[in-house]
Amino acid sequence: AQTVTQSQPEMSVQEAETVTLSCTYDTSENNYYLFWYKQPPSRQMILVIRQEAYKQQNATENRFSVNFQKAAKSFSLKISDSQLGDTAMYFCAFMRDNDMRFGAGTRLTVKP
Amino acid sequence: KAGVTQTPRYLIKTRGQQVTLSCSPISGHRSVSWYQQTPGQGLQFLFEYFSETQRNKGNFPGRFSGRQFSNSRSEMNVSTLELGDSALYLCASSPTASGANVLTFGAGSRLTVL
Repeated sequence: AQTVTQSQPEMSVQEAETVTLSCTYDTSENNYYLFWYKQPPSRQMILVIRQEAYKQQNATENRFSVNFQKAAKSFSLKISDSQLGDTAMYFCAFMRDNDMRFGAGTRLTVKP
Repeated sequence: KAGVTQTPRYLIKTRGQQVTLSCSPISGHRSVSWYQQTPGQGLQFLFEYFSETQRNKGNFPGRFSGRQFSNSRSEMNVSTLELGDSALYLCASSPTASGANVLTFGAGSRLTVL
């Protein structure tokens, strides 16, 4: 079974700085999808970024980028120029065959 | 267009009762997944439906069940409620059953079991 590990329960960063959230996963599959979701205090989960395992190029969405290391089974999220609105729980997720497994989450606080 | 709608948003039940939660997916989405979120266990996959058929099921007891209607709306039911069933139940929809799809989540139904 696939497992997803987020080793940082909580992190904080100063506004405008850069922060990296870690995620590792365990799978024997070759084709899968990886996601970072954000859950602000209002609770609605929203997609931050998605990576297809067959693509070597790291995904980027504005201030959000990932470092995907397939051999190491690592999928970290970098947030540049952090904003107060980035304060949220961040979940790393692994998906194959519409079965999505989440990590335990990292609570990120952006300080003014 | 409207997002994923979950009802009710909050509910309180007592042990032994049953509860039904509803999820209306984004218009045109045919796949609906359910997740349980608790502080201790995090987000756990319950089940996924596509075209009225359950395609995947997580590791939950038979007290947890679900169904999907022809209009893609889905319900989940928990019978004989236990204190440990207190959780936020999240529903997510996607256009098809392909693993390439992004899930869009609803705001959740907060269940408290007393």
